[in-house]
Amino acid sequence: DVVMTQSPLSLPVTLGQPASISCSSSQSLVYSDGNTYLNWFQQRPGQSPRRLIYRVSNRDSGVPDRFSGSGSGTDFTLKINRVEAEDVGVYYCMQGTHWPRTFGQGTKLEIK
Amino acid sequence: EVQLLESGGGLVQPGGSLRLSCAASGFTFSSYAMTWVRQAPGKGLEWVSSVIPSGSATYYADAVKGRFAISRDNSKNTLYLQMNSLRAEDTALYYCAKGFTSYECWGQGTLVTVSS
Repeated sequence: DVVMTQSPLSLPVTLGQPASISCSSSQSLVYSDGNTYLNWFQQRPGQSPRRLIYRVSNRDSGVPDRFSGSGSGTDFTLKINRVEAEDVGVYYCMQGTHWPRTFGQGTKLEIK
Repeated sequence: EVQLLESGGGLVQPGGSLRLSCAASGFTFSSYAMTWVRQAPGKGLEWVSSVIPSGSATYYADAVKGRFAISRDNSKNTLYLQMNSLRAEDTALYYCAKGFTSYECWGQGTLVTVSS
């Protein structure tokens, strides 16, 4: 199975400051069609997960532009350029290239 | 607006069975692969199973292979998960999600508790 490793697992951030979460995969996530199926999800407390980013860097409709995704191959990053109170929650990366699909352990973002 | 509404969860004894349903609306259900993802209490997300639009191909996590069966009824816009031989470690909130390589929409989840 492809192991997705996130860091850090806990991320205390001051309001208005940037935040960055790393995700690395144990195998390349480039699929035979040339796409890289790396996704980012946000799960706010008590809520269902919500997709933020798909295929590394494509932001979903309604997702604030302070969220951005980057990376290639096996190393990926989610950046929030100015953290707001509503960003509190757990962030997961997930690969959709290989079977079984696998998620990272989750990074808990909290306000300092 | 896309909506996914899960149902069918509950308390079941080890070795028992449950059938989860996910009613979909707001999109052409028969055109999209669908997926079940679960989350044990206080834990992370775990992919469980996926099915292609026609229902003719299915995929399972090793942890549930041979015990769970995913299916869909495109005439009813409904996704199912038949869960047999349930174990304590299957206790989780089960989400249905729209998608195959990525999950653009999630339901609110239905809680399955396996306990004697």
